[in-house]
Amino acid sequence: KAGVTQTPRYLIKTRGQQVTLSCSPISGHRSVSWYQQTPGQGLQFLFEYFSETQRNKGNFPGRFSGRQFSNSRSEMNVSTLELGDSALYLCASSFRSTEQYFGPGTRLTVT
Amino acid sequence: GQQVMQIPQYQHVQEGEDFTTYCNSSTTLSNIQWYKQRPGGHPVFLIQLVKSGEVKKQKRLTFQFGEAKKNSSLHITATQTTDVGTYFCAASGAGSYQLTFGKGTKLSVIP
Repeated sequence: KAGVTQTPRYLIKTRGQQVTLSCSPISGHRSVSWYQQTPGQGLQFLFEYFSETQRNKGNFPGRFSGRQFSNSRSEMNVSTLELGDSALYLCASSFRSTEQYFGPGTRLTVT
Repeated sequence: GQQVMQIPQYQHVQEGEDFTTYCNSSTTLSNIQWYKQRPGGHPVFLIQLVKSGEVKKQKRLTFQFGEAKKNSSLHITATQTTDVGTYFCAASGAGSYQLTFGKGTKLSVIP
């Protein structure tokens, strides 16, 4: 099976702009989770979707949002970007919310 | 929310030496997972522990889940340069779909 794919892999944005990141899970996986990874904070949970429903949300401001489509593909959106949003954004899919399979991530740089 | 503390943050070992990382929680965990992230890569699932006192082995890696299900450890025997990376524990509480990651232990192996 193909692994989790994320697009784009790299992104440079300016403060105040918004960005949309995409994640395609492993075929058959219905759960998709998003994480933000920074050197200082480590891996922080953003949200988790299962069958188009958000089941959990981490402690991030409302500027961070996401959605999942009927084919399990997921997108996350960050509006009004801040410098502190620069990070590696990782998407992970799982079959039954057990072990997670991570994608390569999207490296977002906000200038 | 769920918190897991992981120690040490860094570990430098000579090739051939053993390595151990520890993960602790103040609350009872429903399960614990371990992941490895190579430099420049994404986290890769290693194993999941579910039962109290469970011990699992993968070649030179030994994983343990505490009797009270509040702590876990990963032990690597006779480290090799291929073991280099950051090892994360991740846990979810009872009835939760949110996976909380420890800050990770970065392992360096000196050849």
